[in-house]
Amino acid sequence: QKEVEQDPGPLSVPEGAIVSLNCTYSNSAFQYFMWYRQYSRKGPELLMYTYSSGNKEDGRFTAQVDKSSKYISLFIRDSQPSDSATYLCAMSALRAQKLVFGQGTRLTINP
Amino acid sequence: DAGVTQSPTHLIKTRGQQVTLRCSPISGHKSVSWYQQVLGQGPQFIFQYYEKEERGRGNFPDRFSARQFPNYSSELNVNALLLGDSALYLCASSLGGPLEYFGPGTRLTVT
Repeated sequence: QKEVEQDPGPLSVPEGAIVSLNCTYSNSAFQYFMWYRQYSRKGPELLMYTYSSGNKEDGRFTAQVDKSSKYISLFIRDSQPSDSATYLCAMSALRAQKLVFGQGTRLTINP
Repeated sequence: DAGVTQSPTHLIKTRGQQVTLRCSPISGHKSVSWYQQVLGQGPQFIFQYYEKEERGRGNFPDRFSARQFPNYSSELNVNALLLGDSALYLCASSLGGPLEYFGPGTRLTVT
């Protein structure tokens, strides 16, 4: 079993829809939770960062962490065609030297 | 401000050859990490260096090595290349904590 599981999709939704992206994990030591956006043939771009449990909002993006269920989510409101990309969840334990990534979900927003 | 830079952008090598990839971190960042991203997968951790010392190593063979220079730039070396080494190699820098910022990557093709 992988430490971090993420549905690879692909996920295709119409412009303006609310998108929900999710990851589950097995390592209870994870304390830092990130979402990266990666456009085709580019490096990952840090979108959101959450420490421990809770919600965090930034514009159209909301990140949620439920440590009791080992489940994290990223919500995108009013989705735009420019949001079309692969979204990667990543996690890290306290004082760890690495990020552990999910497989990535490929998202397409259709105009 | 300049982000993480990597060179070269693309590289084609033959099996058995050696390759050196280069990375310059964000100004002020003292930690550099290397990740391998195979097509359709999330990045996998290879190495992390902080203040020129190796701080972490992923599950990669000894053919992979790295170093960090006094100006915090870094090189990743891969010897005896295999077809399976074909991937996007990502460099990330940080202040030393879990928030890592990625460069555009070097796409390595081994034929």
